[in-house]
Amino acid sequence: DADVTQTPRNRITKTGKRIMLECSQTKGHDRMYWYRQDPGLGLRLIYYSFDVKDINKGEISDGYSVSRQAQAKFSLSLESAIPNQTALYFCATSEGGVRNIQYFGAGTRLSVL
Amino acid sequence: DQQVKQNSPSLSVQEGRISILNCDYTNSMFDYFLWYKKYPAEGPTFLISISSIKDKNEDGRFTVFLNKSAKHLSLHIVPSQPGDSAVYFCAASDYYGGSQGNLIFGKGTKLSVKP
Repeated sequence: DADVTQTPRNRITKTGKRIMLECSQTKGHDRMYWYRQDPGLGLRLIYYSFDVKDINKGEISDGYSVSRQAQAKFSLSLESAIPNQTALYFCATSEGGVRNIQYFGAGTRLSVL
Repeated sequence: DQQVKQNSPSLSVQEGRISILNCDYTNSMFDYFLWYKKYPAEGPTFLISISSIKDKNEDGRFTVFLNKSAKHLSLHIVPSQPGDSAVYFCAASDYYGGSQGNLIFGKGTKLSVKP
């Protein structure tokens, strides 16, 4: 089983719908992250959480919200999806520290029509 | 403003030859640099890293070089293999500078290794 699991892997939805992407990890890491990848734009940080009670906005948080339900679970919500939120979404975890190597899930491909 | 730049969107190399992927950065406070590899339909996977106090780090066929004065790092793959074909992301962090270790990624370089 994967250390970082994202569900669903693919999702097609309509403009205005509420969508939740889920992430769970078995690595025992405190830190969890949500990124978005668009063609030619690399990985951009949406939200990050250093523990259950510590949630922070990243570079592109507008239109998104998150919930850290437990150390192992971090979900990303789009309250009212819009077409320019069509992208590949990745969850990641890390131990923190100077090295802060992040471990990524396989991604969720979201299409908003 | 982009703090981590990968100016070559793509690179094509013959199998067995050296692949050199480049990355430039603007923030002199960056103290740790990482390379990730990403295959289609998979998440990025950590490949190799280097601390700002070093200028070279090797791991098998992969070597990362850091030139702090030029704010430049490069990833060398020798010899290149078809299985190395992927998108490579450069990332940097400034743990002691306030980002708490959060990574800033470049846009990626797609490497194609031809048999």
